[in-house]
Amino acid sequence: KQEVTQIPAALSVPEGENLVLNCSFTDSAIYNLQWFRQDPGKGLTSLLLIQSSQREQTSGRLNASLDKSSGRSTLYIAASQPGDSATYLCAVGSSNTGKLIFGQGTTLQVKP
Amino acid sequence: DAGITQSPRHKVTETGTPVTLRCHQTENHRYMYWYRQDPGHGLRLIHYSYGVKDTDKGEVSDGYSVSRSKTEDFLLTLESATSSQTSVYFCAISPGTGDSYEQYFGPGTRLTVT
Repeated sequence: KQEVTQIPAALSVPEGENLVLNCSFTDSAIYNLQWFRQDPGKGLTSLLLIQSSQREQTSGRLNASLDKSSGRSTLYIAASQPGDSATYLCAVGSSNTGKLIFGQGTTLQVKP
Repeated sequence: DAGITQSPRHKVTETGTPVTLRCHQTENHRYMYWYRQDPGHGLRLIHYSYGVKDTDKGEVSDGYSVSRSKTEDFLLTLESATSSQTSVYFCAISPGTGDSYEQYFGPGTRLTVT
């Protein structure tokens, strides 16, 4: 059974720092991996989708990498801003049905 | 933002009553999903649909049923609500074509069962 873990559960950094959020999964036979952002009381916003054949994806200040062999993905946020404060969720898709298994998330606080 | 709406956005109901939550999309996406989000458990898949009248169970399907009679609507029914079904329910959609199974989420429905 696929399990997805995100460490740390919470992170607080000063504005301007570059930071890395970690996601690990137990079964390397994945179809894709998706990173989301969730603001308090809101739905999830898709940030990046990495297909199993890809090593990384970039969108603006965000870069997500995927290493299937080691069961890891990282989300790199460059030059963090207070507006980046949110919970970041990693989710692994294990088949072409699109079903996702979610990690518990990392809650990020960026202090001005 | 993807065109996904959920109704109602908030609901309080009593134990033992049936409850139906609605997800409506304007994107004509093939796949639709229902998740619940709970502290300590994160997001878990309840049911999903891969076409009109085509549905399958997810991780936590007991006590829930779904229906999809039109591409744009996916209904989640709690047959007899229990306090353990108090949660935030999210609907998601996905094109499900080619290599794209990127999921887009609705705003959520907060359900309280008393």
